[in-house]
Amino acid sequence: QKEVEQNSGPLSVPEGAIASLNCTYSDRGSQSFFWYRQYSGKSPELIMFIYSNGDKEDGRFTAQLNKASQYVSLLIRDSQPSDSATYLCAVEKGNEKLTFGTGTRLTIIP
Amino acid sequence: DVKVTQSSRYLVKRTGEKVFLECVQDMDHENMFWYRQDPGLGLRLIYFSYDVKMKEKGDIPEGYSVSREKKERFSLILESASTNQTSMYLCASRSGGSGNTIYFGEGSWLTVV
Repeated sequence: QKEVEQNSGPLSVPEGAIASLNCTYSDRGSQSFFWYRQYSGKSPELIMFIYSNGDKEDGRFTAQLNKASQYVSLLIRDSQPSDSATYLCAVEKGNEKLTFGTGTRLTIIP
Repeated sequence: DVKVTQSSRYLVKRTGEKVFLECVQDMDHENMFWYRQDPGLGLRLIYFSYDVKMKEKGDIPEGYSVSREKKERFSLILESASTNQTSMYLCASRSGGSGNTIYFGEGSWLTVV
């Protein structure tokens, strides 16, 4: 079992709809969870992080964490073509290292 | 703004050559990392360092070594490059402590022929 799992996609969502990206992790000791966006040929950039159960909102983005079920999700409201990218989930176990999933490729259809 | 600079963006090296990838960060971060990214495999940690002259192996250290002589600089060394080390290499840094953001450099695209 991979430490961090994501559906590779591609996930296609119409412009203006909600995109939902999911990530599961195997280690119950994981403490912090990050979502990164990566455009083709570019380096990852942080969207948001979460470490408490529940929802965390930042603009059009909402991260949801459920430690009991070991999953973290990212919702993107009012999806825009500029949201088309690969989204990486990363998990930290408190040892300073982040473990990344393989990413989900998201395409927003105009 | 945090800046992580990878001096070499695109390199082509021959099999067996020694390769140095340099990374410099300007935010006095304790922790620095080297990842490689390959299609379908995501980001995989090669080595990381949590202090000057300190290093720890990541998930795929074979064929690589690192050097951290100064806090701001973390170098990745391929002692004898091989074709299976063709990849994009990402340097990153973050401040110590759980939950802090990791910042990436722009990446170094290495092709070994």
